Amino acid sequence: SQTIHQWPATLVQPVGSPLSLECTVEGTSNPNLYWYRQAAGRGLQLLFYSVGIGQISSEVPQNLSASRPQDRQFILSSKKLLLSDSGFYLCAWSLPSGRNEQFFGPGTRLTVL
Amino acid sequence: GENVEQHPSTLSVQEGDSAVIKCTYSDSASNYFPWYKQELGKRPQLIIDIRSNVGEKKDQRIAVTLNKTAKHFSLHITETQPEDSAVYFCAATGGGSYIPTFGRGTSLIVHP
Repeated sequence: SQTIHQWPATLVQPVGSPLSLECTVEGTSNPNLYWYRQAAGRGLQLLFYSVGIGQISSEVPQNLSASRPQDRQFILSSKKLLLSDSGFYLCAWSLPSGRNEQFFGPGTRLTVL
Repeated sequence: GENVEQHPSTLSVQEGDSAVIKCTYSDSASNYFPWYKQELGKRPQLIIDIRSNVGEKKDQRIAVTLNKTAKHFSLHITETQPEDSAVYFCAATGGGSYIPTFGRGTSLIVHP
């Protein structure tokens, strides 16, 4: 069966510090991968998605970036965090054929102080 | 691109009542409509979905209906229980895109 991991689960970082969040998927090949951010009490904002290794599409211009160095690994990064980067970051995957269920990871709660 | 509107943003019901959440979409080519439930502090999880070749789908106390002509779909929860309290998101995947467009969410509160 498929599983999706995210770490860390929680993170408190000062403004201006770098960020690296990691997501890995097991039990499937060539998944579509997604990064979402959810502000407190708000909806799901799609940040990045990827259909293959090295293929990244950005939905929202900001100080975040994403990379997919391996088929089932998706990394979210920032060189300098802003206060507005605080939120709940969710990684998700879906089958490569599209128009299917998304499976979300457990999330990372990021607080920027 | 696709646009999904979800209403209401908050829904408060008494235990045992029914709850209905409605979504409208803009892209007539959309053909997959999932509903996710997100409990506080947890990840969203699929509870039911429907494809455009089906008008209604039921799973125990939850059901989804789809009206392709009017471009809207609804989630129905009967005999609500306190554990149904959560945020519910609808989504639509349309046209040539496999990227789902999510509604803004409905916070359902079931009072015991």
